[in-house]
Formats: sequence, C-alpha cells, structure tokens
Amino acid sequence: DQQVKQNSPSLSVQEGRISILNCDYTNSMFDYFLWYKKYPAEGPTFLISISSIKDKNEDGRFTVFLNKSAKHLSLHIVPSQPGDSAVYFCAARVGGSNYKLTFGKGTLLTVNP
Amino acid sequence: KAGVTQTPRYLIKTRGQQVTLSCSPISGHRSVSWYQQTPGQGLQFLFEYFSETQRNKGNFPGRFSGRQFSNSRSEMNVSTLELGDSALYLCASSLSLGSYNEQFFGPGTRLTVL
Repeated sequence: DQQVKQNSPSLSVQEGRISILNCDYTNSMFDYFLWYKKYPAEGPTFLISISSIKDKNEDGRFTVFLNKSAKHLSLHIVPSQPGDSAVYFCAARVGGSNYKLTFGKGTLLTVNP
Repeated sequence: KAGVTQTPRYLIKTRGQQVTLSCSPISGHRSVSWYQQTPGQGLQFLFEYFSETQRNKGNFPGRFSGRQFSNSRSEMNVSTLELGDSALYLCASSLSLGSYNEQFFGPGTRLTVL
C-alpha cells in the first residue's frame, strides 16, 4: 500500500526553466511533508518542508505547494540548474507520537544545459 | 563537524547469513533512524532510536533489529538473510526525535545477498 506516490519516475527540464515535481498521498493523517534530494553514492539531503496548516513554503529557488483537498503536493524549482539533477523524494509524517516517515519512490530530475 | 558515517560501505553475504551494520551519528545528535532503499520499494523506514531506546518501528519482519549505545552510535542487524534484503541501508541522525528537517543522512551501506 503506497501511501506516498511519485508517479513520474523521471523528469527532464532545460536549464533556466521551471521544474515541477509532484507527489500524491492517501493518508489524511499526514501532517508534515518533506522533500529530499539525493545524488548518486550519497545519502539524501533535506531540501524543504511544509506543515499541513500551510499551503505554500518558499526557500530561495525552491517552493513547495500543498493542496490538502486533493492530497497533492508539488515542488517547484525556479530557475532549474544543472546541479539540481538528482533524485527527489517526497516524504510525509503522521503527527502525534508516531514520527516515522513514509517516502515516495523518487523522481529523477535531469536538468540539461 | 564530521558527518554521519556508516560502515562498512559495501558488503556481500549469502542467504541465511546474518549481518551487522554500523552508524556513527553527528556529534551531539541523539536520534538515529535507519532506512532501506530498493529500486522497487524506494526508501522505507526501518526504525528510530533515541536515548538507547527504539521509539518507532516500520513494517519489517523481526529479522531486522537494531540497538543504540550510550554514545548514540547505532547498529542494525539482519538475521537469516534473504535475496530480497539486497539494498542500500541508510542511517540518519538528528538532534532530537522526529527532527526530520534537521536530519542528516550517511552515505549508506550497500548490501548484496547472493
């Protein structure tokens, strides 16, 4: 039962353009969402997060949007740079005492120069 | 500040054997989480330790176990290895329980079961 789904295994974008990575979830108990970036041979690194009480969070070139009614979140990268090429994971957490994270399978972003 | 270190980086075992992986968190971090990454299932949470106690556990069989020492270093053990246990095992540390936006991952241990 995949509670967090990243339906696009890969995405290719031109340098300078916008990259939009999508994530859908099924568990309405999720209250906190995160995006991680992972380069080959390295562990994931935290990128940006959003609480369920917000619908948008911005950090430099990265913006995460949350649509609770649609159970959908997206990560926007503007402008995209070749160094952004990596696998991006969406993750979600059920609030309360259970802090475990549920991850999507990831989307490979390739930014072409 | 040194990052999260995991040893060994690569490991080859055969079915039925057991394996122990080690994780040294960032100095001062008291929470250590373990994840399994496979191409088919993506990243899956195994368990989280804080102050030497397992605080959260994912949906893995009892063959997967772990522990945390007083210096916050953690080990995970997989007994009676199966082919499907071949994966990248990632460890992550953070200052406190559930601090995922301040969680730092190690490079992982690549386990191959033959």
